[in-house]
Amino acid sequence: EVQLLESGGGLVEPGESLRLSCTASGFSFSTYAMSWVRQAPGKGLEWVSNIRGNGDDTYYADSVKGRFTISRDNSKNTLYLQLNSLRAEDTAVYYCAKGKPYYGDGGLGFDYWGQGALVTVSS
Amino acid sequence: DIQVTQSPSSLSASVGDRVTISCRASRTLLTYLNWYQQKPGKPPKLLIYAASRLQSGVPSRFSGSGSGTDFTLTISGLQPEDFATYYCQQAFISVLTFGGGTRVEI
Repeated sequence: EVQLLESGGGLVEPGESLRLSCTASGFSFSTYAMSWVRQAPGKGLEWVSNIRGNGDDTYYADSVKGRFTISRDNSKNTLYLQLNSLRAEDTAVYYCAKGKPYYGDGGLGFDYWGQGALVTVSS
Repeated sequence: DIQVTQSPSSLSASVGDRVTISCRASRTLLTYLNWYQQKPGKPPKLLIYAASRLQSGVPSRFSGSGSGTDFTLTISGLQPEDFATYYCQQAFISVLTFGGGTRVEI
């Protein structure tokens, strides 16, 4: 059974940093791209970042580029998101999601999701 | 970046109705388009990928169609458990984007 478990959320002040972790089990972690998707309270889904299975390629939404860093440790089956220079508008539930590739490796959906980690940025 | 716009933002329907939700992209996606269902307090669930392929375990009353810039999610025979918010997501480029969502209400 595929499981994704996020941790590391919490309350921080503007300008501070936080690191989220997502521990995966039930599948060959290093084979799949992984992503972070966030959802502000009462709002829609916003894709944040992707990382390929081997960790070589990363992609970011413009809203977080230069402030957030995605990484993975395939030996630990763990995905990370380093959040720096946090702003009030980064307040959201952050989901990690397993990539479902199609058309070879050209398309990407998300077939498994964690329950989410709440990040609150407030003074 | 590619923008994806869903319509309507919300709709009211009854059990048994046929419901259609649209997703329009700012440029061609070919068929790199996915659909999700989300219920309150839960993570999203993948329904359709590659515009029309049904994800394993998803009931056949859900279907997707379209290519290029215009896509449709259809629910044929709405069930009580289908009242939720639905999102499209483009996967044509590596900088991914979600639509704003469509809330399906009773």
